Amino acid sequence: QKEVEQNSGPLSVPEGAIASLNCTYSDRVSQSFFWYRQYSGKSPELIMSIYSNGDKEDGRFTAQLNKASQYVSLLIRDSQPSDSATYLCAVRGRAGNNRKLIWGLGTSLAVNP
Amino acid sequence: EAGVTQFPSHSVIEKGQTVTLRCDPISGHDNLYWYRRVMGKEIKFLLHFVKESKQDESGMPNNRFLAERTGGTYSTLKVQPAELEDSGVYFCASSQHPVARGAYGYTFGSGTRLTVV
Repeated sequence: QKEVEQNSGPLSVPEGAIASLNCTYSDRVSQSFFWYRQYSGKSPELIMSIYSNGDKEDGRFTAQLNKASQYVSLLIRDSQPSDSATYLCAVRGRAGNNRKLIWGLGTSLAVNP
Repeated sequence: EAGVTQFPSHSVIEKGQTVTLRCDPISGHDNLYWYRRVMGKEIKFLLHFVKESKQDESGMPNNRFLAERTGGTYSTLKVQPAELEDSGVYFCASSQHPVARGAYGYTFGSGTRLTVV
């Protein structure tokens, strides 16, 4: 079992729709969770971070965390073609390894005009 | 504010040669991380510096990899001798706070794409 799992996609949504990206993690004591966006050939760029159960909203982006079910999701409202990218889920590991991030493979999102 | 700078952006070397990658973190960022992404695989942690000290090097693949951060400023990652499986994109990231504190994220450099042939 991978430590952080994401559906590789591609996830295709029409412009203006809500894109929903999901991530599950295996280590129950994980502390913090991150969503990064990576355009082709570019470096990952932090979009959202969350460490408490519930929702966290920032503009068109909402991160949702459910520690009991060990999943974290990212919702993108009013999706734009410029949102087309790979979205990487990263989890801060357990105490003792709590400085490094453990990454999923990423979900490819295509927003169609 | 200048971002995290890495060079070279690309490097193609032959198996058995030596390559040195460099990372200049954001000024004032004590925490510097090296990560690697091999094609088709997840991004994997290599090591973490706090200033000039190696805080965690548990992700270094083997002793062919040597990372340094003299003076706590820029860092180098040397691969000697390079093998085919070392090919991938090497990312450097820096942060003012360690990831352990709250939910601070990293700022990544643009990466060095290393191809060993």
